[in-house]
Amino acid sequence: KNEVEQSPQNLTAQEGEFITINCSYSVGISALHWLQQHPGGGIVSLFMLSSGKKKHGRLIATINIQEKHSSLHITASHPRDSAVYICAVSEGGGADGLTFGKGTHLIIQP
Amino acid sequence: DAGITQSPRYKITETGRQVTLMCHQTWSHSYMFWYRQDLGHGLRLIYYSAAADITDKGEVPDGYVVSRSKTENFPLTLESATRSQTSVYFCASRGTHLAGELFFGEGSRLTVL
Repeated sequence: KNEVEQSPQNLTAQEGEFITINCSYSVGISALHWLQQHPGGGIVSLFMLSSGKKKHGRLIATINIQEKHSSLHITASHPRDSAVYICAVSEGGGADGLTFGKGTHLIIQP
Repeated sequence: DAGITQSPRYKITETGRQVTLMCHQTWSHSYMFWYRQDLGHGLRLIYYSAAADITDKGEVPDGYVVSRSKTENFPLTLESATRSQTSVYFCASRGTHLAGELFFGEGSRLTVL
């Protein structure tokens, strides 16, 4: 079973700061997902990636397959970015779902 | 409306009662999943289904039953609810690609008294 570790567990930053959330996993994967969950809300998929880098607006996700590591960056952070960010990996070998990290709780203060 | 919907969104029940959480998706996705989310544990897979009439256990299946008679529906039943099943439950679906994007429902918050 893949072990997915996220860091930091909690992060508080000021509006405008550059944010980095890290995710590492123990076993080779077919894809890595970054998810966002606002307080009391549902879960939204931000990125799915298997190599390289993806960008969507102020969000950037990178993955290093050799190092089994991914990062999620938020540029020019805003209070509306406050949420839990969850890393999840898919080993793709069967019909099962994902192995999830425990999430990073991000608070952006105005 | 297109998407994945769960019902009820909130449910309070008593120990020993049977509870069914419904999940419906309109994309004809092959794969559907039920997860529970608890503080300190993150999301854990309860059951999943690769297609209609095909279901299998996940990480924490005890006390739960699922069925999938139609592709679009994947109900989760707690046959005799226990306090430890108080949680937020998320249904999700994915297309046929093994590493495809996952789509989540809004969640069902269940409290067992």
